[in-house]
Amino acid sequence: QKEVEQNSGPLSVPEGAIASLNCTYSDRGSQSFFWYRQYSGKSPELIMFIYSNGDKEDGRFTAQLNKASQYVSLLIRDSQPSDSATYLCAVGDSGYALNFGKGTSLLVTP
Amino acid sequence: SAVISQKPSRDICQRGTSLTIQCQVDSQVTMMFWYRQQPGQSLTLIATANQGSEATYESGFVIDKFPISRPNLTFSTLTVSNMSPEDSSIYLCSVDTSTHIPYGYTFGSGTRLTVV
Repeated sequence: QKEVEQNSGPLSVPEGAIASLNCTYSDRGSQSFFWYRQYSGKSPELIMFIYSNGDKEDGRFTAQLNKASQYVSLLIRDSQPSDSATYLCAVGDSGYALNFGKGTSLLVTP
Repeated sequence: SAVISQKPSRDICQRGTSLTIQCQVDSQVTMMFWYRQQPGQSLTLIATANQGSEATYESGFVIDKFPISRPNLTFSTLTVSNMSPEDSSIYLCSVDTSTHIPYGYTFGSGTRLTVV
């Protein structure tokens, strides 16, 4: 059973702060890692993907991958109330379905 | 990236009836995936649909309950059969857009199903 684990939260951060979301996975052979944002009542929206160890930055978002520790994280800088959503970590490989964590609920307070 | 049109967006159905959900993609894709998201839960894979072959179902899901069609590379349907209140969920289709830019898996807008 391939597991993807996330802290369900809620994670509460003040506006302007850095939000740090974490994810661990069990399948050491996994190659692709994704972060999705899901607003209540909406479908998941891809915000970041990462394949290689290290950091990947896109605007206010940074994904970090450590394959040796089987750990993926997402940092959101300068958090805004509009970032309040559930963040889903997903692990998989091209041509196969993604395996999702249960998601972390983020609340950014003004 | 690929754009997926999923319909209906929501429906309220009587128990014992069936509902067919459609997903249309604006480009040809090899793999299409059907997920279920129960209230407050994450996404659970129901099945993987390839064009021209039988869908592959995950443990706990069977073809008689969730028949899937994949007649071509841009279209798929999922039917929820003989519905009960436990089938009330959001159903999502997804495609692997790894041959597109940006890379990723794209989701349809979802079908919110309520069974009464």
